[in-house]
Amino acid sequence: GQQLNQSPQSMFIQEGEDVSMNCTSSSIFNTWLWYKQDPGEGPVLLIALYKAGELTSNGRLTAQFGITRKDSFLNISASIPSDVGIYFCCSGNTGKLIFGQGTTLQVKP
Amino acid sequence: DGGITQSPKYLFRKEGQNVTLSCEQNLNHDAMYWYRQDPGQGLRLIYYSQIVNDFQKGDIAEGYSVSREKKESFPLTVTSAQKNPTAFYLCASSIGGGRATNTQYFGPGTRLTVL
Repeated sequence: GQQLNQSPQSMFIQEGEDVSMNCTSSSIFNTWLWYKQDPGEGPVLLIALYKAGELTSNGRLTAQFGITRKDSFLNISASIPSDVGIYFCCSGNTGKLIFGQGTTLQVKP
Repeated sequence: DGGITQSPKYLFRKEGQNVTLSCEQNLNHDAMYWYRQDPGQGLRLIYYSQIVNDFQKGDIAEGYSVSREKKESFPLTVTSAQKNPTAFYLCASSIGGGRATNTQYFGPGTRLTVL
């Protein structure tokens, strides 16, 4: 079946550092979404991308929809302790979405 | 206050019992989804519904059942046929329809533990 390859699997960084994670797929998709999940909670939408090449920011977060429509990246600038959590990429066409395995981010104060 | 609610937050059941997880949304969304999440894993789709009175199996539907009698509600029943039911269950909804409305919004989740 269709899969998303998300990397890195985990990151342990110092507060203030920038973070980058990405997702790739063997299929072409119309939508790329990035979510953050805190322990024991539901994922919260961070950024939604609907057009190839689109670059969107949300505060310290920036994400891009790859021009080939098969990849996306998420950058977090100047990380803070509350950035800790699991970040999921998500993609699909009409209806169903598929999720990456997640990137666990830990931030050391 | 619009959103998606799931209840209860924690649920314990004995092996062999069926259990129903609640999911309600007041976002006027047409589409609703159920996912299962295991520790350290991504989300796997159990069932989804694009419109009232209609639903489709996802990737791991065996041992689960759903109904969609009302637009706001999409309950999930974990049956005794599900071999490994202990997991974190997430419900989501989206506007439905075309490409730009794929964005799904999640509830807080229900952690089911089968003893």
